Amino acid sequence: AQSVTQPDIHITVSEGASLELRCNYSYGATPYLFWYVQSPGQGLQLLLKYFSGDTLVQGIKGFEAEFKRSQSSFNLRKPSVHWSDAAEYFCAVADMDSNYQLIWGAGTKLIIKP
Amino acid sequence: DVKVTQSSRYLVKRTGEKVFLECVQDMDHENMFWYRQDPGLGLRLIYFSYDVKMKEKGDIPEGYSVSREKKERFSLILESASTNQTSMYLCASIPPGTGYGYTFGSGTRLTVV
Repeated sequence: AQSVTQPDIHITVSEGASLELRCNYSYGATPYLFWYVQSPGQGLQLLLKYFSGDTLVQGIKGFEAEFKRSQSSFNLRKPSVHWSDAAEYFCAVADMDSNYQLIWGAGTKLIIKP
Repeated sequence: DVKVTQSSRYLVKRTGEKVFLECVQDMDHENMFWYRQDPGLGLRLIYFSYDVKMKEKGDIPEGYSVSREKKERFSLILESASTNQTSMYLCASIPPGTGYGYTFGSGTRLTVV
């Protein structure tokens, strides 16, 4: 069965430091992959997505993610985090057998130290 | 940009009440979804709809029903609210067959007392 794993429940990073959030997926075909961000008390906002082509994708708010088929990973990165990046981040893969329903990871909560 | 609007940000209801959560999207999307979100459990799909009057059960439909009388509106109904339905409820929509990813509403935090 398809699945998405985000191994880190919480990550704490100092403001200005680099960030990498991990995401591993299990999916038989070429995946459609997404990262969403959820600020406290808000809905989810799409950060970036990968469908095909260049394996390094750029998103909003200075985020990027790299698709690595050999590692079944789609890790999210940012070179320098800002306090406003404190949020919960969700990785998801589209299940193309179910009309593109998304299969979600459990989320990683990002805490920024001043 | 697509806008998905959930009618209430916060709701407090009593056990046994019938509760309606409303979701409206403004881009004529066929596909709409209701999720609940709980700490440590991520997003769990309750119901989804591919078109007017069509509905499909998600992973946790028990205790819920839905209504889709018009394409733009997808309502989640708690037939008899219970305290274990206290949660954040998120609505989302997506164009059909595109894989473009969902647009979410701001969420409704429901507390059942």
